Amino acid sequence: GDSVTQTEGLVTLTEGLPVMLNCTYQTIYSNPFLFWYVQHLNESPRLLLKSFTDNKRTEHQGFHATLHKSSSSFHLQKSSAQLSDSALYYCALYASSGSWQLIFGSGTQLTVMP
Amino acid sequence: AQTIHQWPVAEIKAVGSPLSLGCTIKGKSSPNLYWYWQATGGTLQQLFYSITVGQVESVVQLNLSASRPKDDQFILSTEKLLLSHSGFYLCAWSSGDSDYTFGSGTRLLVI
Repeated sequence: GDSVTQTEGLVTLTEGLPVMLNCTYQTIYSNPFLFWYVQHLNESPRLLLKSFTDNKRTEHQGFHATLHKSSSSFHLQKSSAQLSDSALYYCALYASSGSWQLIFGSGTQLTVMP
Repeated sequence: AQTIHQWPVAEIKAVGSPLSLGCTIKGKSSPNLYWYWQATGGTLQQLFYSITVGQVESVVQLNLSASRPKDDQFILSTEKLLLSHSGFYLCAWSSGDSDYTFGSGTRLLVI
């Protein structure tokens, strides 16, 4: 079945360093939608960015990601981490139109230290 | 603008007691509605979805049920709570078949 894999459960880095959170997915469908959601402590998840176009970079709030269908990846990146970026980040897959299921990865807790 | 409201904000319930959680969407006609569950430290697991009033589809079986009595209302319930039901319950909506927007959630502790 469809699935999302986030290999890092916990990422800790120093303010100002680059961020890269990994996301790979599995689906038999050729036109999936991929999403990154961010969840701050005691809040609900909020959409950070999304893509369905192969090899096109999408950006929002300093974060960017590129969907690579050849490698089934949608890694989240930011050039310089800020303290306020500390949160739980989920990669999510919407595999096909009409599936009505948004499948989440296990999440990566990002902690940015001063 | 669309707003999504969940109630209650938090609940502490005894094992074996009934539960009813609610979700209301305002400002959107015929939204697609979803229930998600997040165990403490866990991922987001989709429980149910509803594309139209009166029709609900189950995604996973957790001894829970859902209903959509009105176009803008989605209810999650069970007659007998288990300890494993503890967690964070989130209602979400979408206008198309992606782009989910989540409500503020209900925190449930079963003791």
